[in-house]
Parts: sequence; C-alpha cells; structure tokens
Amino acid sequence: DIQLTQSPSFLSASVGDRVTITCRASQGISNYLAWYQQKPGKAPKLLIYAASTLQSGVPSRFSGSGSGTEFTLTISSLQPEDFATYYCQQLNSHPPYTFGQGTKLGIK
Amino acid sequence: EVQLVESGGGLVKPGGSLRLSCEGSGFAFSSYSMNWVRQAPGKGLEWVSSISSSSSYIYYADSVKGRFTISRDNAKNSLYLQMNSLRAEDTAVFYCARDPTHYCTSPPCYSYNYYGMDVWGQGTTVTVSS
Repeated sequence: DIQLTQSPSFLSASVGDRVTITCRASQGISNYLAWYQQKPGKAPKLLIYAASTLQSGVPSRFSGSGSGTEFTLTISSLQPEDFATYYCQQLNSHPPYTFGQGTKLGIK
Repeated sequence: EVQLVESGGGLVKPGGSLRLSCEGSGFAFSSYSMNWVRQAPGKGLEWVSSISSSSSYIYYADSVKGRFTISRDNAKNSLYLQMNSLRAEDTAVFYCARDPTHYCTSPPCYSYNYYGMDVWGQGTTVTVSS
C-alpha cells in the first residue's frame, strides 16, 4: 500500500504567518491527493483535491501544489480559525485510501 | 442542504457486534461512492471501508477485513457498516463520507481524477470495552 508521510508533525505559527506543510508519498501518485482540515471534535473538511484544486467555499489563502511523490499545502496568511490539524490523503485509482499522520498547527 | 447523519454507535463488549448507519440527504445518494473512516481517541484518520455507487466494488482496510461488512441501500439513501468480533482497538469515532470519484478498476483510465471526500457526517462513537 502507498504510505504518506507529513512533515512537520507539529508546527507553531502566528496570525499572519505563511506556513507550508509537506506530504510525501512512498510511490508516485500523479496528482491524486487531497488535503483536509480538522478541528477538535469536528469532522474533517476537504480543502483541496487533485493536489491543487481549491474546494468550493475554501478561502483562497489555502493553496496546494505538487505531483508524483511530493506535495505541499500552503496557507498564505494564517487566520485565527486556521489553527487545526491538517491531513493529506491519496487515492491512486481505487481504494485503499491512505491518510498522512497529520500536522497539528498551533499558536506560537 | 447536503448532509450525512450517522447513528448506531455505543458501548459494546469485546467480541460483540454493532451496526452503524449513515443516512444521506440533499443529494443523489445513489451516484456516489461512500466510505467509512474512523479516528481512535487522540489519533489520526484511518480509512476503514468503501463501496461504489452500485455496490459493484467493495474494499476494506486489512485491520477490519473479515470482521466488518459495508453495504448500502440506495432506495433508503443509506450506508451501513456491520461490525463483528469487535476489539478494544476498534474504539473510535466513525465517520461516513461521500466521494464523487469514479474508481479506476481496470487501468489505464485516462480520465481518472481524485476529487476527495467532500461531505462528511458528524461521526458516531464506538467504544469497545468490558
């Protein structure tokens, strides 16, 4: 199965900062990658699919890039509501899906 | 409003069984692949099982294969997860999630794209403990 490794696992930042989270796949997955945001006690929320396509309703400060084995999620200017845990996920043609282990974004 | 609502969680003893349900509304349920994803306390997300729109394709994580059974009833806009032989490590919040993606089961699939799990339920908690 394809493994996804996110880095860092924890990240501290301030409002207004630009932050980048990386997700590496154990083998090439083209652009078959999504990013999710999860807040405590809530269901995950889809932010980006196909590596770089912003889901409807998601603020434009979120962006994704990458292809093959390396992907990034960037938040251009952190807002207070962005402090959460972020997960990458892949689906290379059909299940099994894989999630990264998560990156917890906290307030500095 | 597009919505998924899970039910059926609870406290069960090791070795016991539980059936989770997920009802969809506000969208054409029969057009979407559906999934179960779980999250153990303080842990990350773990994919559990998927079923294609017409139930033609069913997949399970190795951790639940042979113990869990996914099914759906498109006439009732409902998704199910029958969980047998439950273990302490199955304790988690279980989410159902919709996926617009059409699986590529016979590659090459030149039009394949991954759209992500775009609608999630609120989750139902399963606790396996004696």
